[in-house]
Amino acid sequence: SSELTQDPAVSVALGQTVRITCQGDSLRSYYASWYQQKPGQAPVLVIYGKNNRPSGIPDRFSGSSSGYTASLTITGAQAEDEADYYCYSRDSSGNYWVFGGGTKLTVL
Amino acid sequence: QVQLVQSGAEVKKPGASVKVSCKASGYTFTSHYMHWVRQAPGQGLEWMGVINPTGNSATYAQKFQGRVTMTRDTSTRTDYMQLSSLRSDDTAVYYCARDVSAKLEKPVWWFDPWGQGTLVTVSS
Repeated sequence: SSELTQDPAVSVALGQTVRITCQGDSLRSYYASWYQQKPGQAPVLVIYGKNNRPSGIPDRFSGSSSGYTASLTITGAQAEDEADYYCYSRDSSGNYWVFGGGTKLTVL
Repeated sequence: QVQLVQSGAEVKKPGASVKVSCKASGYTFTSHYMHWVRQAPGQGLEWMGVINPTGNSATYAQKFQGRVTMTRDTSTRTDYMQLSSLRSDDTAVYYCARDVSAKLEKPVWWFDPWGQGTLVTVSS
């Protein structure tokens, strides 16, 4: 089991807003980063820190952090956002790194 | 541009070893850590370990300690990940990923970019 916990699956209607969460003790001390992965492709960074987007990532992607939880929000989800999303951070010992189990996002 | 190019797919028998390479370009190689991540078929991402910028120290996930070795050749800007005593459940895509970090209100680490991935198949 992962030290970062994500819901296995989430769905959202086209054009609506969806929040994907990541919970873990380490998130009190560290921010998470978020990755989008489509089938057969390498992961792509979408958010790092509290709410930092790399260049080229649409502004409908945003992040937030509170207590033990990091969140990725997609405002106005598009069909091309259907993918797996992973959070990543240090583990609770601070000695290693860990991914969340991943959330499969379906856009209806 | 920053780029990581990995070696090609491998097929290995159980008990053998595999060595995957990751050649970096477009940035100061000795300023960044490099991580290795794997993904078994239909499964999530799994962190394996990290090598430091000079290549003289590595940290491995407890699951892989004793079986994995990460090395760096700064003269060729190439990192290597060797996994020994292969089993069928080591069948996976193996990625290298460049570490970037910052100390904001809290520290954060992220990967940018990732290599294209190397499929390692372990089968008798």
